[in-house]
Amino acid sequence: DIVMSQSPSSLAVSVGEKVTMSCKSSQSLLYSSNQKNYLAWYQQKPGQSPKLLIYWASTRESGVPDRFTGSGSGTDFTLTISSVKAEDLAVYYCQQYYSYPFTFGSGTKLEIK
Amino acid sequence: EVKLEESGGGLVQPGGSMKLSCVASGFTFSNYWMNWVRQSPEKGLEWVAEIRLKSNNYATHYAESVKGRFTISRDDSKSSVYLQMNNLRAEDTGIYYCTRGRQWYFDVWGAGTTVTVSS
Repeated sequence: DIVMSQSPSSLAVSVGEKVTMSCKSSQSLLYSSNQKNYLAWYQQKPGQSPKLLIYWASTRESGVPDRFTGSGSGTDFTLTISSVKAEDLAVYYCQQYYSYPFTFGSGTKLEIK
Repeated sequence: EVKLEESGGGLVQPGGSMKLSCVASGFTFSNYWMNWVRQSPEKGLEWVAEIRLKSNNYATHYAESVKGRFTISRDDSKSSVYLQMNNLRAEDTGIYYCTRGRQWYFDVWGAGTTVTVSS
C-alpha cells in the first residue's frame, strides 16, 4: 500500500497569513503515460464531512477559492493557503488514487490564533 | 442540488451484520462510480470499497481489511448504493461516508452514518 505522510500534524496561524502544508507519498504518484499526479486534497471542517479542494495535485475544484493552491509532483506535494481566513479552520487531508487501495494522510489541523 | 444521504448505521455486536444504504439525488447516478469511505479516530480516513458502472459489469474493489466480509452493490433504478457488512469487528467502528467517485477521487460526500461494533 502507498503510505501518505502529512506534516505538520497541526499549525496555528493568524488571519491573513500564508500557510503551507506538506504531503509525501511512499512511492511516486506521477503516471508516466499522461504526466498526471494522482493526488487529491480535502478539507474537513468541524462536524462536517470532507470536501474536495484539489485534484490531479493542482486542479482546483469548482467553487473553491483561489487562495487554495496545490503543487508538487512525484512524491512531494504542498497545499498552500495564500491568505488564511477564519473559515479555513479545518483538517486538511491528502489522498492518493494512483493505486488500490486508495489511501489518505493523517491530516494537518489548521487552527486560527 | 447534488446530494448523498446515508442510512442504516447503529449499534451491532461483534460478529453481527449490518447493511448501509445511500440514496443519491441531483445527478445521473448511473454515470458515476460510487465508494464507501470510513473514518475513525484510530485509523483516520480509510477507503473501504468501490463499485463501477453497468458498462464495467459493476466491477468492485475492496480494502484488504474488509475483503470477504463486506459487499458493495448498487441499484441504478433507485439511485442507491449499499454496503452489506458481515462478521463485524470492533475495528469496523466509525463513520461511514458514501462518496461519488470522479476518476478515483471523491467529489461528493454524504453526511455519514455511524456504525458502532460493541458488545
